[in-house]
Amino acid sequence: LAKTTQPISMDSYEGQEVNITCSHNNIATNDYITWYQQFPSQGPRFIIQGYKTKVTNEVASLFIPADRKSSTLSLPRVSLSDTAVYYCLVGDISGGYNKLIFGAGTRLAVHP
Amino acid sequence: GAGVSQSPSNKVTEKGKDVELRCDPISGHTALYWYRQSLGQGLEFLIYFQGNSAPDKSGLPSDRFSAERTGGSVSTLTIQRTQQEDSAVYLCASSLGDTGVREQYFGPGTRLTVT
Repeated sequence: LAKTTQPISMDSYEGQEVNITCSHNNIATNDYITWYQQFPSQGPRFIIQGYKTKVTNEVASLFIPADRKSSTLSLPRVSLSDTAVYYCLVGDISGGYNKLIFGAGTRLAVHP
Repeated sequence: GAGVSQSPSNKVTEKGKDVELRCDPISGHTALYWYRQSLGQGLEFLIYFQGNSAPDKSGLPSDRFSAERTGGSVSTLTIQRTQQEDSAVYLCASSLGDTGVREQYFGPGTRLTVT
């Protein structure tokens, strides 16, 4: 099964760029890498998804090296409202069944 | 449009009782997922449905847990003989699923408390 590893917590300041890396050494060929954001008492919210190289949308960028064994979520110019838990999700399809593995999450705290 | 809805939003039950949690996915989404999140913890995957196909149930934590999805839409997660360690937020998500991992839309969750 693809297991993911993320830093437990990170601190940043308003206006800075934040990079959160997720390791997924056993990622399978068909797996996508997806990042979610979760605020307290809410369900996770989709941020970005990619398969390889770089993906950018209006809120974040996702960098995936050629071996796909890790990925980095980049949040440009964070604000206080970006304080949340960020999860890396890697789809795992093996043995004829699907089992989706969320990382333990990275608790990001943005300070004034 | 309407998002994923779950009911009830909160459920308090006595140890040993059965509970049913309901999830209404976004219309047109063929994939449906159940997760469990204990206080301050990450998400634990429970089960995944794709259309009308039978799900793989090996992710469910014990045989007290079961889930079904009727007509490829609404899903019910049932926990029999609840235990205190079942207390958690149960999250449902849906997506336009076919293969691989697609963008999941999560519901607000059901907070289950077993006393």
